[in-house]
Amino acid sequence: DAGVIQSPRHEVTEMGQEVTLRCKPISGHDYLFWYRQTMMRGLELLIYFNNNVPIDDSGMPEDRFSAKMPNASFSTLKIQPSEPRDSAVYFCASSSRQEGYGYTFGSGTRLTVV
Amino acid sequence: QKEVEQNSGPLSVPEGAIASLNCTYSDRGSQSFFWYRQYSGKSPELIMFIYSNGDKEDGRFTAQLNKASQYVSLLIRDSQPSDSATYLCAVILDNYGQNFVFGPGTRLSVLP
Repeated sequence: DAGVIQSPRHEVTEMGQEVTLRCKPISGHDYLFWYRQTMMRGLELLIYFNNNVPIDDSGMPEDRFSAKMPNASFSTLKIQPSEPRDSAVYFCASSSRQEGYGYTFGSGTRLTVV
Repeated sequence: QKEVEQNSGPLSVPEGAIASLNCTYSDRGSQSFFWYRQYSGKSPELIMFIYSNGDKEDGRFTAQLNKASQYVSLLIRDSQPSDSATYLCAVILDNYGQNFVFGPGTRLSVLP
C-alpha cells in the first residue's frame, strides 16, 4: 500500500481564498482523522470519521472549516474563507481496529495564508 | 480534561547512551499507548504501542507501562544521531479508537 496520500504538499494562498486539502486513506482502514500541527499548539484533532461518517468534529475551530468523506477512499478538508492564523501543517491519518488503532499519517499539507 | 504530558526537552544524550523519554496521562481509563517519532518537517511515524503493564521490546526500543502510576516511557538503547527527533506519546482512552490524545512531544538530541 502507498500509505496515506495527501495533496497538495504545500499551499500558499491569500487571505479570504478557499482552500481544499485532500486525503486518500490506506485501503481497509475504517478511521480517518484530520489534524493540525503548529509550534504553539502541537497536534490538534480537528475531526474524525468512522466508516465515512463524521464522529467528532468538536475540534473544528470555526464554521469556516468543513470536512467531508464521500467514500472510503477520499476525504477533503475545506477552509473558506482562509485567514493567516490558519497557517499550519495539516495531517490526515487513518487507522483500523484490526491493526490496534495505531495511526498512519500522511505527509501533510503545509498551508501558508498570506 | 484528558491530558497527556511530556517534558518538552530538549533532551540531550551522547551517542551510544540510553535515552529515556517519559509520559504521564491523567485518565485512569486509558487503554492503549503509542510512541511516535517525528523528524523535523516530516509526519509522525509509529514506533511502538503497548497495552499491558510491563515492558515491551523492539530492537533498540523498549516501551514501559505502569497503569497504576499512569506512566509510560520509551527507552532508546545505543542512541544514534539519527534518533534525534521529537517523540510524541499518544493515549487512547477507550476500546473503540476514539479519544486519541497526543502529548506535546519531547525533542531528543543525540550528540555524536
